[in-house]
Amino acid sequence: AQKVTQAQTEISVVEKEDVTLDCVYETRDTTYYLFWYKQPPSGELVFLIRRNSFDEQNEISGRYSWNFQKSTSSFNFTITASQVVDSAVYFCAVPWAGNQFYFGTGTSLTVIP
Amino acid sequence: NAGVTQTPKFQVLKTGQSMTLQCAQDMNHEYMSWYRQDPGMGLRLIHYSVGAGITDQGEVPNGYNVSRSTTEDFPLRLLSAAPSQTSVYFCASSYLGRGNSPLHFGNGTRLTVT
Repeated sequence: AQKVTQAQTEISVVEKEDVTLDCVYETRDTTYYLFWYKQPPSGELVFLIRRNSFDEQNEISGRYSWNFQKSTSSFNFTITASQVVDSAVYFCAVPWAGNQFYFGTGTSLTVIP
Repeated sequence: NAGVTQTPKFQVLKTGQSMTLQCAQDMNHEYMSWYRQDPGMGLRLIHYSVGAGITDQGEVPNGYNVSRSTTEDFPLRLLSAAPSQTSVYFCASSYLGRGNSPLHFGNGTRLTVT
């Protein structure tokens, strides 16, 4: 069965600091995808990124970067120079049996101005 | 572009009452699903559907019923509400695939059962 562990329940950083959110996953699939979602205080769930298990290159999008390491089953998310607008709950997820997503319990990030 | 529309946004029920949470999507997605979000537990899958007329149970299906008569609509029914069903409910849809299609979520329904 799939499993996603986000061990950091809550993180607080001061604005402009860098922060890394950890995600460790388990899957029986040999090929698979991993996802990150953001849930701002307004409550909606926003898709951030999808990676496939074939591609272990780090990905960077503006201040966001993702480090996927298949050997350690980790898919960590780093925000560089954090801003108050980054304050949100972040979820890591792995699909199983096609479209059924298994979500981690989320990491609540607070960026203090 | 409406995307995934959920109604109502808020609902208060008394124990034993029934109600239906509505979900509609206009993206022609084959796959639709319902999740509940509880503090410290992330999002858990309740029921899902891979097309009209086809539904199946997720991780926490007890106390809920679904049907899928059209591609667009996927209502979630609470048969006899219990306080344990107090939660935030999200409907999500995606293209049917091999785990590579992101879920598109509605804005959620906050349900309180007293």
